[in-house]
Amino acid sequence: DTEVTQTPKHLVMGMTNKKSLKCEQHMGHRAMYWYKQKAKKPPELMFVYSYEKLSINESVPSRFSPECPNSSLLNLHLHALQPEDSALYLCASSHFNTEAFFGQGTRLTVV
Amino acid sequence: AQTVTQSQPEMSVQEAETVTLSCTYDTSESNYYLFWYKQPPSRQMILVIRQEAYKQQNATENRFSVNFQKAAKSFSLKISDSQLGDTAMYFCAFIDGGATNKLIFGTGTLLAVQP
Repeated sequence: DTEVTQTPKHLVMGMTNKKSLKCEQHMGHRAMYWYKQKAKKPPELMFVYSYEKLSINESVPSRFSPECPNSSLLNLHLHALQPEDSALYLCASSHFNTEAFFGQGTRLTVV
Repeated sequence: AQTVTQSQPEMSVQEAETVTLSCTYDTSESNYYLFWYKQPPSRQMILVIRQEAYKQQNATENRFSVNFQKAAKSFSLKISDSQLGDTAMYFCAFIDGGATNKLIFGTGTLLAVQP
């Protein structure tokens, strides 16, 4: 099983809403990532979890709150987002310092 | 800080022909990995090929091969016998062999395969 599963695939939320993005993998990977991608741009790293602990936060605004409940799950909690936060949010996982496997992403629209 | 540069924003190739995508990178690390990812309009980021810096032999995967020039910090991707399904955004990516787990992407090359 080389899948990373992200839900939902599409999400529309208002600026006052609270929502969560979910990511799951069963490859035994102990590194998990959140990336943000704007159209025709490369993915921008947001967070890295290593052994379920947050190891990198790329100065992401606090309206994005990551959580890693266990080694297979990664969540991204969203609150009070701005329209400029509309983007494709990609989850990925990997063994340490090697190729990452990506989910299909969540297309987020903030209205 | 590590950087990855792709100087070709867009490229076009005829079906069945060969095309080469360029990538350069900058790092002071001696142990690292390089990758090419493909992102078609379906948006799934797919690993195409990987290269370990300590290996001198260039990686190949079917129609895809790389030209890894470590001294020049260059890592180009050659696609042979291009197919319509190769149409996608291609990203060069780098990760160092240390403890950061930080995968860094280049700006991408949009490849269009023409029938």
